[in-house]
Amino acid sequence: DVKVTQSSRYLVKRTGEKVFLECVQDMDHENMFWYRQDPGLGLRLIYFSYDVKMKEKGDIPEGYSVSREKKERFSLILESASTNQTSMYLCASSLFGRGDYNEQFFGPGTRLTVL
Amino acid sequence: SQQGEEDPQALSIQEGENATMNCSYKTSINNLQWYRQNSGRGLVHLILIRSNEREKHSGRLRVTLDTSKKSSSLLITASRAADTASYFCATASDSWGKLQFGAGTQVVVTP
Repeated sequence: DVKVTQSSRYLVKRTGEKVFLECVQDMDHENMFWYRQDPGLGLRLIYFSYDVKMKEKGDIPEGYSVSREKKERFSLILESASTNQTSMYLCASSLFGRGDYNEQFFGPGTRLTVL
Repeated sequence: SQQGEEDPQALSIQEGENATMNCSYKTSINNLQWYRQNSGRGLVHLILIRSNEREKHSGRLRVTLDTSKKSSSLLITASRAADTASYFCATASDSWGKLQFGAGTQVVVTP
């Protein structure tokens, strides 16, 4: 079974702190994604990566950066956390370039609260 | 930007009844997928239907796709309490594997 793990289930940080959210997948997937989920808005893509050291902006990249130094690990960084970044953060992975077979596998999520 | 829009936003049914939810989208797609999310957890992939398919079944799930109307429906037959969850449609429009998710339908199945 594909397993996607996230470093924390719950996280509380203060405004202005630098925050790292880690995601690891064990199925050798090329693609990895970071989403944030807010009530009534569904999932919104922050960044995705299709290969090591490669990254592409999603729909809402402002205030975030990412790092992918190894294929299995994709990190989301909040350079200076703000209260409007309080949200559920979901990581996902999928095979690359599979066209019609690109189902995504999700981690359990990290609920981040910024005070 | 949000591609899929689910309808209804919330659905409450009794065990044994069928649950139907709809998804509309705006641009052409390669495939459309449905995911389930149990409260406060990650999403689980349920079913994928390709743009050249009209109907697909998986267990108690039936998905239809009408590309002329840019819409899809998910039917859960003989609902169980364990089907209580939020259901999201997601569309794939590029070859990178990116998905655009809707806001979801919250389904509550009462015993």
